[in-house]
Amino acid sequence: KAGVTQTPRYLIKTRGQQVTLSCSPISGHRSVSWYQQTPGQGLQFLFEYFSETQRNKGNFPGRFSGRQFSNSRSEMNVSTLELGDSALYLCASSLEQNTDTQYFGPGTRLTVL
Amino acid sequence: AQSVTQLGSHVSVSEGALVLLRCNYSSSVPPYLFWYVQYPNQGLQLLLKYTSAATLVKGINGFEAEFKKSETSFHLTKPSAHMSDAAEYFCAVSYNAGGTSYGKLTFGQGTILTVHP
Repeated sequence: KAGVTQTPRYLIKTRGQQVTLSCSPISGHRSVSWYQQTPGQGLQFLFEYFSETQRNKGNFPGRFSGRQFSNSRSEMNVSTLELGDSALYLCASSLEQNTDTQYFGPGTRLTVL
Repeated sequence: AQSVTQLGSHVSVSEGALVLLRCNYSSSVPPYLFWYVQYPNQGLQLLLKYTSAATLVKGINGFEAEFKKSETSFHLTKPSAHMSDAAEYFCAVSYNAGGTSYGKLTFGQGTILTVHP
C-alpha cells in the first residue's frame, strides 16, 4: 500500500499570505490528523477529521483551518501567515478509532519570510 | 490531561552499546503508548505500540519497550546500537475517551540519539 503523501514538500511564503497544504491518507484510512512541529514547541496537535467532519481541535488560533473530502483526502489552510508559523506540518492517517496507529507523511516544510 | 516526559533531550552511545531512552507518561485513563523515530527531513515512523495486550512490546529494528504501570513509564531499549539508529525518538500517548481524545497524540519533547563508532 502507498503511504501517506503530502504536497507540496516545501513552501516559502511571506507574512500576510495564506497557504494550503494537502494530505492523501493511506487507502482505507478514514481519519486524518494534522500536527505542527517546531524546535521550540515540539509536536503539537492541530486537528483531526473523520468522514468529512472535524472531531477534535488543538489549541491553535482560528487562522488554522482544515477540511476533509469524501475520499478522505484532507487539506489545511493557514491564513494571514506570521513568522511563527514557520514549521514542519505533518499529517497522519489512521483507520477509524482514535487509538488506531497513526501513520505519518513526510511533512510539508513551511517557511514564512 | 495527558502528558509525556522524555528524560534527556540528547543521548549518546557507542556502536554496540545498550540504548535506553526514557519516557514517563501521565494519564487519568488507560493509555495507548507509542514510540516513533524521525530521521532528518522525514516524517515519523512507528517503532512500536502498547495496547495493554502485553507489557513487553517488541518493535522494528530490534527495539522494544516495557510498560510499567506502577512507574508510569514506557522506556525504549535496544541491546546493541547501530550507526543507523542515530535519529530523534518520540514517545507519544493517546487514549480512548471520545471528544478531545479523537485523533490526538500527545508527544514528548523528543530525544536525539547519537551513535559513535
